[in-house]
Amino acid sequence: EAQVTQNPRYLITVTGKKLTVTCSQNMNHEYMSWYRQDPGLGLRQIYYSMNVEVTDKGDVPEGYKVSRKEKRNFPLILESPSPNQTSLYFCASKDGPPRGNQPQHFGDGTRLSIL
Amino acid sequence: AQSVTQLGSHVSVSEGALVLLRCNYSSSVPPYLFWYVQYPNQGLQLLLKYTSAATLVKGINGFEAEFKKSETSFHLTKPSAHMSDAAEYFCAVSDTGYQKVTFGTGTKLQVIP
Repeated sequence: EAQVTQNPRYLITVTGKKLTVTCSQNMNHEYMSWYRQDPGLGLRQIYYSMNVEVTDKGDVPEGYKVSRKEKRNFPLILESPSPNQTSLYFCASKDGPPRGNQPQHFGDGTRLSIL
Repeated sequence: AQSVTQLGSHVSVSEGALVLLRCNYSSSVPPYLFWYVQYPNQGLQLLLKYTSAATLVKGINGFEAEFKKSETSFHLTKPSAHMSDAAEYFCAVSDTGYQKVTFGTGTKLQVIP
């Protein structure tokens, strides 16, 4: 089954304690992306990656890091989480060019609470 | 720069009534446009997409959207609302279809029996 898998689904942690949210896709997609969803703000793009070792900032990259060492994995790293990073996070993937107009496939989300 | 505006954060319709969810975009180049639906505690699922092949786009679950370049709009419609349509709907734009994707702030649809 084609899917995007995020882990963990829920996490409560404390300020300053480094955490990683993993994302894996089994569709051999070139493009992967991370979003955060906040009430009234919709989805905002944090980082995206067009292929292995190619990443770029989205609209709200501050406080986050990503890496793309393998095509299937795109972890999101919070080196020193702060309460304003409490949010619902989504990973997504899709085909790259020439099928760049393909829609994104989303994971089920990770709800992070930073105390 | 690209942007998306969804008018109305909450829309209520009666079961069987017309659904109209509004989306206006701005883009410096011909855009790719998408509508996604999010059911509670789930990720987003594609409803439909516009990629310049046809201005009236039909999607899943009876939804459709019309691309109007002169109005920079891509409104989502469904002739008859069903209870199962209650969800949050997001419009998204990408001016390359590949790199940066910008989402609207979402519209929550409530269907009243």
